[in-house]
Amino acid sequence: TQLLEQSPQFLSIQEGENLTVYCNSSSVFSSLQWYRQEPGEGPVLLVTVVTGGEVKKLKRLTFQFGDARKDSSLHITAAQPGDTGLYLCAGTMIKAAGNKLTFGGGTRVLVKP
Amino acid sequence: GAGVSQSPSNKVTEKGKDVELRCDPISGHTALYWYRQSLGQGLEFLIYFQGNSAPDKSGLPSDRFSAERTGGSVSTLTIQRTQQEDSAVYLCASSPARGYEQYFGPGTRLTVT
Repeated sequence: TQLLEQSPQFLSIQEGENLTVYCNSSSVFSSLQWYRQEPGEGPVLLVTVVTGGEVKKLKRLTFQFGDARKDSSLHITAAQPGDTGLYLCAGTMIKAAGNKLTFGGGTRVLVKP
Repeated sequence: GAGVSQSPSNKVTEKGKDVELRCDPISGHTALYWYRQSLGQGLEFLIYFQGNSAPDKSGLPSDRFSAERTGGSVSTLTIQRTQQEDSAVYLCASSPARGYEQYFGPGTRLTVT
Protein backbone atom coordinates (compact mmCIF):
# COMPACT_ATOMS: atom_id res chain seq x y z
CA THR A 1 0.00 0.00 0.00
CA GLN A 2 1.17 3.50 -0.80
CA LEU A 3 1.65 6.14 1.86
CA LEU A 4 -0.57 8.47 -0.15
CA GLU A 5 -3.63 6.89 -1.72
CA GLN A 6 -5.25 8.68 -4.62
CA SER A 7 -8.77 8.00 -5.82
CA PRO A 8 -10.11 7.38 -8.28
CA GLN A 9 -7.29 6.01 -10.40
CA PHE A 10 -9.08 6.97 -13.58
CA LEU A 11 -11.84 9.46 -14.33
CA SER A 12 -13.56 10.05 -17.65
CA ILE A 13 -16.07 12.88 -17.88
CA GLN A 14 -17.73 15.13 -20.42
CA GLU A 15 -16.70 18.72 -20.94
CA GLY A 16 -18.57 20.99 -18.53
CA GLU A 17 -18.90 18.42 -15.74
CA ASN A 18 -17.28 18.75 -12.34
CA LEU A 19 -14.78 16.31 -10.83
CA THR A 20 -13.03 15.71 -7.54
CA VAL A 21 -9.81 13.81 -6.91
CA TYR A 22 -8.89 12.64 -3.42
CA CYS A 23 -5.55 12.09 -1.74
CA ASN A 24 -5.58 10.29 1.61
CA SER A 25 -3.04 9.09 4.15
CA SER A 26 -2.81 7.89 7.70
CA SER A 27 0.30 10.04 8.13
CA VAL A 28 0.56 13.75 8.80
CA PHE A 29 2.23 15.93 6.20
CA SER A 30 3.87 19.31 6.71
CA SER A 31 2.88 20.28 3.19
CA LEU A 32 1.07 18.81 0.25
CA GLN A 33 1.38 19.61 -3.40
CA TRP A 34 -0.64 18.86 -6.51
CA TYR A 35 0.98 18.36 -9.90
CA ARG A 36 -0.37 17.77 -13.38
CA GLN A 37 1.62 15.73 -15.85
CA GLU A 38 1.03 15.42 -19.57
CA PRO A 39 2.47 12.64 -21.76
CA GLY A 40 6.19 13.01 -22.41
CA GLU A 41 6.61 15.81 -19.90
CA GLY A 42 7.56 16.17 -16.28
CA PRO A 43 5.00 17.03 -13.59
CA VAL A 44 4.07 20.70 -13.34
CA LEU A 45 3.32 22.14 -9.93
CA LEU A 46 -0.23 23.44 -9.53
CA VAL A 47 -0.38 24.37 -5.86
CA THR A 48 1.22 23.90 -2.44
CA VAL A 49 -0.88 23.79 0.74
CA VAL A 50 0.72 23.93 4.15
CA THR A 51 -1.96 24.84 6.70
CA GLY A 52 -4.60 22.42 7.96
CA GLY A 53 -8.01 23.41 6.59
CA GLU A 54 -6.45 25.59 3.91
CA VAL A 55 -8.40 26.14 0.71
CA LYS A 56 -6.74 27.52 -2.40
CA LYS A 57 -8.40 28.42 -5.67
CA LEU A 58 -6.71 28.55 -9.04
CA LYS A 59 -9.26 29.60 -11.64
CA ARG A 60 -11.58 26.56 -11.96
CA LEU A 61 -9.44 24.42 -9.62
CA THR A 62 -10.06 24.32 -5.86
CA PHE A 63 -7.59 22.61 -3.54
CA GLN A 64 -8.26 21.72 0.06
CA PHE A 65 -5.93 20.46 2.79
CA GLY A 66 -7.61 18.50 5.56
CA ASP A 67 -7.73 19.91 9.09
CA ALA A 68 -5.46 17.12 10.33
CA ARG A 69 -3.10 17.51 7.34
CA LYS A 70 -3.59 13.86 6.36
CA ASP A 71 -5.71 14.34 3.27
CA SER A 72 -6.37 16.68 0.40
CA SER A 73 -8.75 17.11 -2.49
CA LEU A 74 -8.68 18.72 -5.90
CA HIS A 75 -11.99 19.87 -7.38
CA ILE A 76 -12.33 21.04 -10.97
CA THR A 77 -15.43 22.98 -11.95
CA ALA A 78 -16.73 22.89 -15.51
CA ALA A 79 -13.89 20.71 -16.76
CA GLN A 80 -12.42 21.38 -20.18
CA PRO A 81 -10.49 19.08 -22.54
CA GLY A 82 -7.35 21.02 -21.61
CA ASP A 83 -7.70 19.67 -18.06
CA THR A 84 -6.91 16.18 -19.35
CA GLY A 85 -3.80 14.74 -17.74
CA LEU A 86 -2.32 12.77 -14.87
CA TYR A 87 -2.91 14.48 -11.53
CA LEU A 88 -0.45 13.66 -8.78
CA CYS A 89 -0.56 14.58 -5.12
CA ALA A 90 2.71 14.65 -3.23
CA GLY A 91 3.43 15.31 0.40
CA THR A 92 6.37 16.21 2.57
CA MET A 93 6.28 14.20 5.75
CA ILE A 94 7.04 15.95 9.00
CA LYS A 95 10.81 15.81 9.64
CA ALA A 96 11.49 14.51 6.14
CA ALA A 97 15.00 15.40 5.14
CA GLY A 98 15.19 18.04 2.45
CA ASN A 99 11.46 18.24 1.79
CA LYS A 100 11.61 14.85 0.09
CA LEU A 101 8.29 14.23 -1.62
CA THR A 102 6.14 11.13 -1.29
CA PHE A 103 3.86 10.75 -4.30
CA GLY A 104 0.45 9.23 -4.66
CA GLY A 105 -0.21 6.80 -7.48
CA GLY A 106 -1.91 9.43 -9.63
CA THR A 107 -5.35 9.98 -11.11
CA ARG A 108 -5.67 9.94 -14.85
CA VAL A 109 -8.35 12.42 -15.95
CA LEU A 110 -9.89 12.41 -19.42
CA VAL A 111 -12.23 15.25 -20.34
CA LYS A 112 -14.11 14.50 -23.53
CA PRO A 113 -15.35 17.34 -25.71
CA GLY B 1 14.43 31.66 -17.21
CA ALA B 2 15.52 28.19 -18.19
CA GLY B 3 13.89 25.26 -16.48
CA VAL B 4 15.33 21.90 -15.51
CA SER B 5 16.80 20.12 -18.50
CA GLN B 6 17.59 16.43 -18.89
CA SER B 7 19.47 14.44 -21.46
CA PRO B 8 19.06 12.28 -23.34
CA SER B 9 15.29 12.46 -23.73
CA ASN B 10 15.21 8.81 -24.78
CA LYS B 11 17.70 6.02 -24.26
CA VAL B 12 17.49 2.46 -25.50
CA THR B 13 20.13 0.10 -24.18
CA GLU B 14 20.82 -3.60 -24.09
CA LYS B 15 20.53 -5.54 -20.88
CA GLY B 16 23.83 -5.53 -19.03
CA LYS B 17 25.10 -2.24 -20.39
CA ASP B 18 25.76 0.84 -18.25
CA VAL B 19 23.89 4.11 -18.81
CA GLU B 20 24.36 7.70 -17.66
CA LEU B 21 21.52 10.18 -17.39
CA ARG B 22 22.17 13.89 -17.00
CA CYS B 23 20.27 16.64 -15.21
CA ASP B 24 20.86 20.39 -15.37
CA PRO B 25 18.91 22.06 -12.55
CA ILE B 26 17.55 25.58 -12.47
CA SER B 27 20.38 28.01 -11.81
CA GLY B 28 20.66 28.86 -8.13
CA HIS B 29 18.62 25.91 -6.90
CA THR B 30 20.53 24.15 -4.16
CA ALA B 31 18.46 20.99 -3.93
CA LEU B 32 18.30 18.32 -6.62
CA TYR B 33 16.20 15.17 -6.68
CA TRP B 34 15.99 12.08 -8.87
CA TYR B 35 12.74 10.12 -9.22
CA ARG B 36 11.69 7.11 -11.26
CA GLN B 37 8.27 6.74 -12.86
CA SER B 38 7.14 3.40 -14.18
CA LEU B 39 4.54 3.29 -16.95
CA GLY B 40 1.45 5.21 -15.87
CA GLN B 41 2.48 5.20 -12.22
CA GLY B 42 3.36 7.73 -9.56
CA LEU B 43 6.88 8.79 -8.83
CA GLU B 44 9.38 6.84 -6.74
CA PHE B 45 12.09 8.83 -4.93
CA LEU B 46 15.65 7.73 -5.70
CA ILE B 47 18.21 10.22 -4.34
CA TYR B 48 18.46 13.79 -3.07
CA PHE B 49 21.32 16.30 -3.02
CA GLN B 50 21.40 19.46 -0.90
CA GLY B 51 24.35 21.80 -1.28
CA ASN B 52 27.57 20.21 -0.07
CA SER B 53 25.86 17.79 2.30
CA ALA B 54 26.07 14.05 1.88
CA PRO B 55 23.30 12.88 -0.47
CA ASP B 56 20.24 11.03 0.78
CA LYS B 57 20.49 7.73 -1.11
CA SER B 58 17.68 5.99 0.75
CA GLY B 59 15.55 5.49 -2.38
CA LEU B 60 18.13 3.83 -4.62
CA PRO B 61 16.77 0.34 -5.45
CA SER B 62 20.13 -1.43 -5.65
CA ASP B 63 23.87 -0.85 -5.63
CA ARG B 64 23.77 -0.75 -9.44
CA PHE B 65 22.37 2.76 -9.09
CA SER B 66 24.57 5.73 -8.19
CA ALA B 67 24.50 9.46 -8.67
CA GLU B 68 26.79 12.40 -8.30
CA ARG B 69 26.43 16.13 -8.42
CA THR B 70 29.43 18.11 -9.55
CA GLY B 71 30.05 21.65 -8.40
CA GLY B 72 26.64 21.82 -6.79
CA SER B 73 24.96 21.99 -10.18
CA VAL B 74 24.81 19.28 -12.84
CA SER B 75 23.96 15.76 -11.71
CA THR B 76 24.50 12.39 -13.35
CA LEU B 77 22.54 9.25 -12.50
CA THR B 78 24.40 6.08 -13.45
CA ILE B 79 22.84 2.65 -13.76
CA GLN B 80 25.30 -0.22 -14.11
CA ARG B 81 24.52 -3.59 -15.67
CA THR B 82 21.01 -2.49 -16.63
CA GLN B 83 18.11 -4.89 -16.24
CA GLN B 84 14.74 -4.88 -17.97
CA GLU B 85 13.03 -3.80 -14.76
CA ASP B 86 15.07 -0.60 -14.90
CA SER B 87 12.96 0.53 -17.86
CA ALA B 88 11.13 3.66 -16.74
CA VAL B 89 11.10 7.43 -17.04
CA TYR B 90 13.76 9.01 -14.87
CA LEU B 91 12.82 12.47 -13.67
CA CYS B 92 15.01 15.12 -12.13
CA ALA B 93 13.73 18.03 -10.05
CA SER B 94 15.36 21.01 -8.40
CA SER B 95 14.26 23.26 -5.58
CA PRO B 96 15.41 26.53 -4.06
CA ALA B 97 16.99 26.55 -0.64
CA ARG B 98 13.75 27.47 1.06
CA GLY B 99 10.27 26.32 0.20
CA TYR B 100 8.59 23.12 -0.78
CA GLU B 101 8.23 23.55 -4.50
CA GLN B 102 10.08 21.18 -6.79
CA TYR B 103 10.44 21.91 -10.48
CA PHE B 104 10.71 18.92 -12.76
CA GLY B 105 12.55 18.32 -15.98
CA PRO B 106 10.94 16.49 -18.93
CA GLY B 107 12.52 13.19 -17.98
CA THR B 108 14.62 10.56 -19.70
CA ARG B 109 12.75 7.53 -20.99
CA LEU B 110 14.99 4.50 -20.52
CA THR B 111 14.20 1.27 -22.31
CA VAL B 112 16.28 -1.81 -21.57
CA THR B 113 15.95 -4.50 -24.22
